[in-house]
Amino acid sequence: DAKTTQPNSMESNEEEPVHLPCNHSTISGTDYIHWYRQLPSQGPEYVIHGLTSNVNNRMASLAIAEDRKSSTLILHRATLRDAAVYYCILRDASFQKLVFGTGTRLLVSP
Amino acid sequence: DTAVSQTPKYLVTQMGNDKSIKCEQNLGHDTMYWYKQDSKKFLKIMFSYNNKELIINETVPNRFSPKSPDKAHLNLHINSLELGDSAVYFCASSQAGSSGNTIYFGEGSWLTVV
Repeated sequence: DAKTTQPNSMESNEEEPVHLPCNHSTISGTDYIHWYRQLPSQGPEYVIHGLTSNVNNRMASLAIAEDRKSSTLILHRATLRDAAVYYCILRDASFQKLVFGTGTRLLVSP
Repeated sequence: DTAVSQTPKYLVTQMGNDKSIKCEQNLGHDTMYWYKQDSKKFLKIMFSYNNKELIINETVPNRFSPKSPDKAHLNLHINSLELGDSAVYFCASSQAGSSGNTIYFGEGSWLTVV
């Protein structure tokens, strides 16, 4: 399973943008980059995913490096509700399972 | 309506007992999963079923037996429970066919073995 590397934790203030980095230097050409988050005492929740191009949705933006060896999840204006563990995951085409790493714990201060 | 629902949400039981956790999804997906999250918060896949057939079994002890009566249900039965089985178990589902498809998770079942 291809691996991802994320910082253990990051802090942000409410209303500020947050950039969560992820390195995935062993990514293969068919791996999708997925981001999920887990709020306290809840199941993981889909945030965004992409293959090669940058992606935007109502929750976040995903910026993918040209060589695809890294990506950044962007929360444009952090809220207290965004405090969670964010997982960057590579999902391979053959098995389709999500392999979770340790994720980044995002702390948001008022 | 909850997309992926699992019951019970909380379960406290004694060592040696047999217990089941039920999971249902109303999304029309054909692939379902069980994940385990241990005390260190590490999420690890246990099983995956596609159209009622087992496709992933991640070296889980054979005390754990998943059963899929139809593609909307994937139940997890655990025999002879041990202290180390205490964890949060998450059911999930997705549509097969592309690794770009989203996986939807249930809210988890907190199992405590005493």
